[in-house]
Amino acid sequence: DTGVSQDPRHKITKRGQNVTFRCDPISEHNRLYWYRQTLGQGPEFLTYFQNEAQLEKSRLLSDRFSAERPKGSFSTLEIQRTEQGDSAMYLCAAARGRQGAEAFFGQGTRLTVV
Amino acid sequence: AQKVTQAQTEISVVEKEDVTLDCVYETRDTTYYLFWYKQPPSGELVFLIRRNSFDEQNEISGRYSWNFQKSTSSFNFTITASQVVDSAVYFCALSEAQGGSEKLVFGKGMKLTVNP
Repeated sequence: DTGVSQDPRHKITKRGQNVTFRCDPISEHNRLYWYRQTLGQGPEFLTYFQNEAQLEKSRLLSDRFSAERPKGSFSTLEIQRTEQGDSAMYLCAAARGRQGAEAFFGQGTRLTVV
Repeated sequence: AQKVTQAQTEISVVEKEDVTLDCVYETRDTTYYLFWYKQPPSGELVFLIRRNSFDEQNEISGRYSWNFQKSTSSFNFTITASQVVDSAVYFCALSEAQGGSEKLVFGKGMKLTVNP
């Protein structure tokens, strides 16, 4: 158990619907990341929070994606007007603030857009 | 730009064999960190080892050992006396200290199957 919880574990949605995922990291982990992983590939970085501030976003994060981390605790990732290409595993990771700290991953949310 | 290459895509071994997973990386940063993660069928990425760019000393931790060579930009990982429970996808990853986020850049992964 890494201490990072993600909800839901699986989500099936129709194209065009909005979906929201939640990540609950360990409280001491002020760095929080979202990654996306498609079949047969390594995870790809989407966005980064330090406490409540969103400090970096990947070009992969289109306008339909938005992430928040209110109060620097849990985080949400919302995808609006889902497309079939959004089908993937969405992984949340958290790390302590010290440089080079390892990131601990949640079990992910598997999204299927039909 | 950061890049991680895992040339092997799949390896199958028999239990108790040693297996080495290759990783080659690219970075312009002088301070960076290298990681190995394991992803079993359950899907959760499990942290295994970390190395920083200033420490090329190779170590052994239980059945795991790693060989970090800056001269060849390689960070290879060895499992000694493999077990069936080692079956998983293994990812090598790199993070750069410059830029602040230290986001991980992953290789494509290498699927290891350990047969009894």
